[in-house]
Amino acid sequence: EPEVTQTPSHQVTQMGQEVILRCVPISNHLYFYWYRQILGQKVEFLVSFYNNEISEKSEIFDDQFSVERPDGSNFTLKIRSTKLEDSAMYFCASRRSTDTQYFGPGTRLTVL
Amino acid sequence: EDKVVQSPLSLVVHEGDTVTLNCSYEVTNFRSLLWYKQEKKAPTFLFMLTSSGIEKKSGRLSSILDKKELFSILNITATQTGDSAIYLCAGATYKYIFGTGTRLKVLA
Repeated sequence: EPEVTQTPSHQVTQMGQEVILRCVPISNHLYFYWYRQILGQKVEFLVSFYNNEISEKSEIFDDQFSVERPDGSNFTLKIRSTKLEDSAMYFCASRRSTDTQYFGPGTRLTVL
Repeated sequence: EDKVVQSPLSLVVHEGDTVTLNCSYEVTNFRSLLWYKQEKKAPTFLFMLTSSGIEKKSGRLSSILDKKELFSILNITATQTGDSAIYLCAGATYKYIFGTGTRLKVLA
């Protein structure tokens, strides 16, 4: 069964560094999402992406964040100048046409 | 502001019990409601509900949506220890708004 994959599973970085989180959505899906979940808190929407552009973004998704679909398969989230409070689990999700979206296994980001 | 509220926040039951998890929502341009199960990491999809009154079933799990009263319930019958998880509901609009989840613990 096709699934969303994410790399790395765990990323440790120093405050102020840039990180790139990678996702490979399910191949025939059209809509792509990034979420974050701070430990013990709820899943929060960051951004949605469709037709090679951002369709919606939350107030969390400020200029520090960017997304890209550099080729036909990868979907990346870049966080510039990471802060301590960026430490969280980052989930990528994708869906085709219905609202049923499927989540990847997540990348745990730890900012020291 | 869009919001999704789940109750109870946590629940401890014994194997074989039946549980009902609640989800109420206030979501502008609501399209559907989704239920997920989150164990150690990523949420795994359970149900998507778009129409009122139509029960969706998968084994011991079932769910229904009431679009007039803006809520959904997830029922789990004959609970097993493997059902222990956090159950999330999300309202779908142009984005997905998640509740804080219900933490279910099933004791042997």
